[in-house]
Amino acid sequence: AQKVTQAQTEISVVEKEDVTLDCVYETRDTTYYLFWYKQPPSGELVFLIRRNSFDEQNEISGRYSWNFQKSTSSFNFTITASQVVDSAVYFCALSEGELTGGGNKLTFGTGTQLKVEL
Amino acid sequence: GAGVSQSPSNKVTEKGKDVELRCDPISGHTALYWYRQRLGQGLEFLIYFQGNSAPDKSGLPSDRFSAERTGESVSTLTIQRTQQEDSAVYLCASSLRTSLGETQYFGPGTRLLVL
Repeated sequence: AQKVTQAQTEISVVEKEDVTLDCVYETRDTTYYLFWYKQPPSGELVFLIRRNSFDEQNEISGRYSWNFQKSTSSFNFTITASQVVDSAVYFCALSEGELTGGGNKLTFGTGTQLKVEL
Repeated sequence: GAGVSQSPSNKVTEKGKDVELRCDPISGHTALYWYRQRLGQGLEFLIYFQGNSAPDKSGLPSDRFSAERTGESVSTLTIQRTQQEDSAVYLCASSLRTSLGETQYFGPGTRLLVL
């Protein structure tokens, strides 16, 4: 069963629009971590954020914000006032605890391609 | 400091040949991971090394795939008798430790094309 679902395959927005990328996860563990990575056209994954399962506070970093809701098993990512440089594939990932034998390996969603146009 | 580096950046090979992919982790990182990314898909875990402990090979898709790492240094991923379905980007990552939740930092990947 897929453990990280990014239902949006591709999103296109016009510059300065706000955009939210959805991430839904599944795990039996009570201790786990969620991540977002950005993969620009160059191909290298860039770490954006890490959140542990005991911290449901939303986080804001500049134009980026994240909404973690355990009740709906979601960890959504919003970009405010999008820019062309935000164009990339964004991946959500899950690192599970000992119950599911996850160790620290990451389970990735299939990614959301974000295109920001002028 | 220097990030994770991988070589070659691109590799084209013929079906049936063996290939070796190299990863240099961030200095001081004890954990090293290999992932595969097929076109248009997310990353799938292959193997990880944690210091001198036995590696977790649970993600290797077949016995044609193997990897080695000496201590906390360079790792080599070897694919024997390559098949066309092995074509993908192979990404390496390292983290300071293997504790749950440790952030993994990725290299630029090796793009493998099997003809």
